[in-house]
Amino acid sequence: EEQLAESGGGLVKPGGSLRLSCVTSGFSFRNAWMSWVRQTPGKGLQWVARIKTQSDGYTTEYAPFVKGRFTISRDDSENTVYLQMNSLKSDDTGVYYCSTSFDYWGQGTLVTVSS
Amino acid sequence: QTVVTQEPSLTVSPGGTVTLTCASGTGAVTSASFLNWFQQKPGQAPRPLIWSATNRHTWTPARFSGSLLGGNAALTLSGVLPEDEADYYCLLHDGATWVFGGGTKLTVL
Repeated sequence: EEQLAESGGGLVKPGGSLRLSCVTSGFSFRNAWMSWVRQTPGKGLQWVARIKTQSDGYTTEYAPFVKGRFTISRDDSENTVYLQMNSLKSDDTGVYYCSTSFDYWGQGTLVTVSS
Repeated sequence: QTVVTQEPSLTVSPGGTVTLTCASGTGAVTSASFLNWFQQKPGQAPRPLIWSATNRHTWTPARFSGSLLGGNAALTLSGVLPEDEADYYCLLHDGATWVFGGGTKLTVL
């Protein structure tokens, strides 16, 4: 059974940083393109970033509103995908989900950006 | 960034049929390969229903069907059950990024 479990959310001040992790099991992680999606009170569901596989050069893509601030990465030996979030703003507050190519999803981790 | 528009809310009677639509601000939705539908209930992660516009996932009941209709994507629910009350989101790729629609709140009443 495919399982994804996010962690690393919490309360952070504006301008601060957080690193989210998503540990996966039950599928061939190294062959899966992985995405982060968030759900914010103001904008609803938003795709945040995607990372492709080693055979696709670990190519990364970002939504324009996080480009330059967030970095997606993966560790195929640990079946884990990460999201490093820097220069956080209040608009980044929301639940962050990791997903395969939108087929399988974790339960999300809450990020709150507030002073 | 592309704006993807869905009906904010719809109401349907149990046993009835309802069609939800998804329109792209950049023009007709033509690439079926990059159009997905999701169902979300309170406190839960989005649940995938349809991929590539028309394909049901193995867990998606047959009463859900996807189509491309008049330049828009559509999700039709036939024989609606009370448990289908939820928020429904489309997701499409606009050539550069993935963009979710604003969602449709479906009430079964």
